[in-house]
Amino acid sequence: KNQVEQSPQSLIILEGKNCTLQCNYTVSPFSNLRWYKQDTGRGPVSLTIMTFSENTKSNGRYTATLDADTKQSSLHITASQLSDSASYICVVSAESNSGYALNFGKGTSLLVTP
Amino acid sequence: DSGVTQTPKHLITATGQRVTLRCSPRSGDLSVYWYQQSLDQGLQFLIQYYNGEERAKGNILERFSAQQFPDLHSELNLSSLELGDSALYFCASSVGRQEGPLHFGNGTRLTVT
Repeated sequence: KNQVEQSPQSLIILEGKNCTLQCNYTVSPFSNLRWYKQDTGRGPVSLTIMTFSENTKSNGRYTATLDADTKQSSLHITASQLSDSASYICVVSAESNSGYALNFGKGTSLLVTP
Repeated sequence: DSGVTQTPKHLITATGQRVTLRCSPRSGDLSVYWYQQSLDQGLQFLIQYYNGEERAKGNILERFSAQQFPDLHSELNLSSLELGDSALYFCASSVGRQEGPLHFGNGTRLTVT
């Protein structure tokens, strides 16, 4: 069964600090892995998409890593800002007969405090 | 702004009723997806349309149906509503079938009383 597990479930950090969010998956055949940021009451916004051959990708202060061998990904946030407070969702795409199926994690809720 | 428009933003209705949620995809996107997000739950895929045709089905109840029109906008119809149907319903769009990033609307919050 395809599954995407994220940890921690929630996290509180001080403004300016760094943090790392984890995503473990059991999805096959693997196509790509995506990280989304979802502000409260808003739709998710894409941060990064990584294919099998990519092991790191950055988007500003966000850096995602992928280890396809261990089926793990992480999202590192540098010098956090109050606006980083949101839910971060890991999504793993699997190729199927009908195209691609997206498997969503439940997200990590991040709160950045002053 | 993702370019995906969902209406209405909020909807309050009673059990047993029927509602229609509307989505206009980003200009140029052919695929439309519907997702349900209940409180403290992850996004649950409901259904995908590509250029007017149903492409993939997820955990969509028989009481729910959707369609994509020739102008590519989509509607999600929810009938015989139950309290448990209260959730945020998101529409997303993409250029192709699912290879690229999804662009999400800001959702319709449905409250069934």
